[in-house]
Amino acid sequence: QQQVKQSPQSLIVQKGGISIINCAYENTAFDYFPWYQQFPGKGPALLIAIRPDVSEKKEGRFTISFNKSAKQFSLHIMDSQPGDSATYFCAAIGADSNYQLIWGAGTKLIIKP
Amino acid sequence: DTAVSQTPKYLVTQMGNDKSIKCEQNLGHDTMYWYKQDSKKFLKIMFSYNNKELIINETVPNRFSPKSPDKAHLNLHINSLELGDSAVYFCASSQEPTQQRRSETQYFGPGTRLLVL
Repeated sequence: QQQVKQSPQSLIVQKGGISIINCAYENTAFDYFPWYQQFPGKGPALLIAIRPDVSEKKEGRFTISFNKSAKQFSLHIMDSQPGDSATYFCAAIGADSNYQLIWGAGTKLIIKP
Repeated sequence: DTAVSQTPKYLVTQMGNDKSIKCEQNLGHDTMYWYKQDSKKFLKIMFSYNNKELIINETVPNRFSPKSPDKAHLNLHINSLELGDSAVYFCASSQEPTQQRRSETQYFGPGTRLLVL
């Protein structure tokens, strides 16, 4: 019940296309959902995050869509660029996790020029 | 002005050796973490530590031990290194996440690439 399931494991998208990464969780006590971006050779860094009281959050080309009833959330990258090529992690946190981040398995995104 | 720094960046060593990785943060955070990232990029929390509590992932072998000389430092000691310990180890820090502050961002260091031969 503490898991966050992330898919796909890897994704190749043409430049200018939309990249979509999906995550699902079981624990309804999770109440904060961040996405982290990791470039090769670097540590992960916070990209965007959402609380379950909203269904969507947008920051530039990056949007999180949140479906509370389905216990799913997804990251959309519009007009994907080669510089977006990275590994993306979804995560969740809440009382049941003792406020420790529970991480998805990661998605390696490659944007083809 | 590196926020979270780790040394060394690369560590190549023989099986059975004991090694340490150092981590320092200058963000004034009160909680620090160690993660292990394997070749498939999976991030596994090993330890979470603040001045009140050490939370250990129960799957971490007791050959791994965190040591915190002060709030800004959390070092990782590894005894009797094994081939399976080869991975990238990340240190991170944040303000202590609580019910009121669950949105605290974790800031990661650049990683230490450990290769055990």
